[in-house]
Amino acid sequence: DAGITQSPRYKITETGRQVTLMCHQTWSHSYMFWYRQDLGHGLRLIYYSAAADITDKGEVPDGYVVSRSKTENFPLTLESATRSQTSVYFCASIGGNTEAFFGQGTRLTVV
Amino acid sequence: SQQGEEDPQALSIQEGENATMNCSYKTSINNLQWYRQNSGRGLVHLILIRSNEREKHSGRLRVTLDTSKKSSSLLITASRAADTASYFCATDGTSGSRLTFGEGTQLTVNP
Repeated sequence: DAGITQSPRYKITETGRQVTLMCHQTWSHSYMFWYRQDLGHGLRLIYYSAAADITDKGEVPDGYVVSRSKTENFPLTLESATRSQTSVYFCASIGGNTEAFFGQGTRLTVV
Repeated sequence: SQQGEEDPQALSIQEGENATMNCSYKTSINNLQWYRQNSGRGLVHLILIRSNEREKHSGRLRVTLDTSKKSSSLLITASRAADTASYFCATDGTSGSRLTFGEGTQLTVNP
C-alpha cells in the first residue's frame, strides 16, 4: 500500500532500554522527519533527513539517534529511554510540493 | 523554540459560525502551511501559501499571509461539528525544508 507507515503503533518500554521506532514511506520522498508531540502541545522536530545518508538535528535531538541507509526508511532509536521521552512520535515525509505526509504515530510509554 | 505560535490556544464556536486562527512566526520563510489533527491521529495537510502570495482559498478555507508582520490567519467559514480538531501552522525556512510547527489551536464546533 502506498503511504507512510510507522511501527509499532504502541510501545511500552522500561527506563534504560534501547527502543527503535520504524518509519517507511513508499513515495521515494527525499525529506523525512521525526517529531514528538507531548500531550496538549505542538510538534517538536527531533531529526530530519534530506536524502539517504544525510541527517540533521532538529530542536530536541538529545537522547535520539537516526539513520537513513535507504530512501524509504528512517528509523528513530532511543539509546537509553527515559520517562521524559514518553510521548507520541510522528514520522513525516515531503515530496516536491512541500506538502508533508504524516504517519499515524507511535505512542511510546517509558516506565 | 517553536517557529510558529498559534492564537488562540482554544476556540469554541457554534455550528455555522466562522472560525479564525492566527499564526505568528519568527524568521523568513519560503512557505507557510496549515495542518489539521483529529484527536489521536496524524496531521493532515490543508493548504499551503507561498511567501509571495497574500491570500489563498480552498473550499471553506481562506488563508492570508502578511510577511511584513510575519503572521498568517486561517479562516474556516460556515463551520461544522466535523471541523472539531487541532489546527497547526508550519513553516519552512528559506534555507531548506526543515518544517517546524506551532503549538496549535484546539477548535471545538458545537452542534
